[in-house]
Amino acid sequence: EDQVTQSPEALRLQEGESSSLNCSYTVSGLRGLFWYRQDPGKGPEFLFTLYSAGEEKEKERLKATLTKKESFLHITAPKPEDSATYLCAVKTGANNLFFGTGTRLTVIP
Amino acid sequence: SQTIHQWPATLVQPVGSPLSLECTVEGTSNPNLYWYRQAAGRGLQLLFYSVGIGQISSEVPQNLSASRPQDRQFILSSKKLLLSDSGFYLCAWSVTGAIDTQYFGPGTRLTVL
Repeated sequence: EDQVTQSPEALRLQEGESSSLNCSYTVSGLRGLFWYRQDPGKGPEFLFTLYSAGEEKEKERLKATLTKKESFLHITAPKPEDSATYLCAVKTGANNLFFGTGTRLTVIP
Repeated sequence: SQTIHQWPATLVQPVGSPLSLECTVEGTSNPNLYWYRQAAGRGLQLLFYSVGIGQISSEVPQNLSASRPQDRQFILSSKKLLLSDSGFYLCAWSVTGAIDTQYFGPGTRLTVL
């Protein structure tokens, strides 16, 4: 059975304190791994797509990496505006994105 | 650029009442369209997806139905709401392709009392 697990469930960081969020997956036939950011009461905002092990993508203070079993979202020197829930999703079939439950990040000034 | 709209933004409905949520996409043609539900503490669950007008696939058995009367319009409906239908409903679109990133709308918060 396909499974996506995100850890930790919640993370509190001081401003400037770098850390990583984890997304581990067990799926048959990965066709893509997606990271989204979701602010309270809003729809998820697309961040990255990773297709194969070894791939990395960066955007401002965020860097996503992918291995055969997991993906990491590295946050360098976070700011309070980076506070949000970060969602990981994997695509296996033609149309289905299978989501994890997210990591709720709080960055304290 | 592409834009996705959902309305209403919030809705409070009594048990047994009907439901109609609407989603429209601007700036693209023949998109794939999706309805998801997000419940507290759970991941987004795909409810329906559509690859074209009148073509609807259901991922899970439920009290809801979907329709696509126009290319860029996707509607989520119910004849009689249940308490368990409460949640945050999200519409998404993607461009037809091998690896199609899904882009989400702002969502509708539905509370069934």
